Amino acid sequence: GDSVTQMEGPVTLSEEAFLTINCTYTATGYPSLFWYVQYPGEGLQLLLKATKADDKGSNKGFEATYRKETTSFHLEKGSVQVSDSAVYFCALANYGGSQGNLIFGKGTKLSVKP
Amino acid sequence: SQTIHQWPATLVQPVGSPLSLECTVEGTSNPNLYWYRQAAGRGLQLLFYSVGIGQISSEVPQNLSASRPQDRQFILSSKKLLLSDSGFYLCAWRGGVPGEQYFGPGTRLTVT
Repeated sequence: GDSVTQMEGPVTLSEEAFLTINCTYTATGYPSLFWYVQYPGEGLQLLLKATKADDKGSNKGFEATYRKETTSFHLEKGSVQVSDSAVYFCALANYGGSQGNLIFGKGTKLSVKP
Repeated sequence: SQTIHQWPATLVQPVGSPLSLECTVEGTSNPNLYWYRQAAGRGLQLLFYSVGIGQISSEVPQNLSASRPQDRQFILSSKKLLLSDSGFYLCAWRGGVPGEQYFGPGTRLTVT
């Protein structure tokens, strides 16, 4: 079945450091890919998405490019802030494999120190 | 605009007691609705989803059940809670784009 694998955390960075969180997927057909973010004590929020190969999703300084050849969707940010501290989830949705329901990775906790 | 509400925000219940968590959505009609559980230190587990009134699909067999008595209301229930039911319960709705889900603020359940 479809699955998402993302790097295990926690990831600890200093403010203004460069962030990469790796995410790879396994899916039949052409899934859509997502990054969700969960701030402490809250629900998840959609951060960015990409619906086809080579699409780049971006929001709040975060970016991720849908790479079909490497089945990857790595999250990047050039300069993190303390306010970016959260858990980040990579996910896919695939009508063919799971009725369009989201398949989540296990999440990566990011802590940014001032 | 659309909003999603969950209550209660926190709940402490003894083992063997019943459970009812409620989720309501405003500003949209006939949404797909979802219940997830997030156990401490673990990822998200999809419990139930619904594509319409009275239509419930269960992803994981367990002592929980779900109902959708109205278009924008989704209820998670249990007759007898287990310790393993502790966790953070999230409700979500889906708009027109598969995978683009909007989550509620969650309910923190502690079973003692």
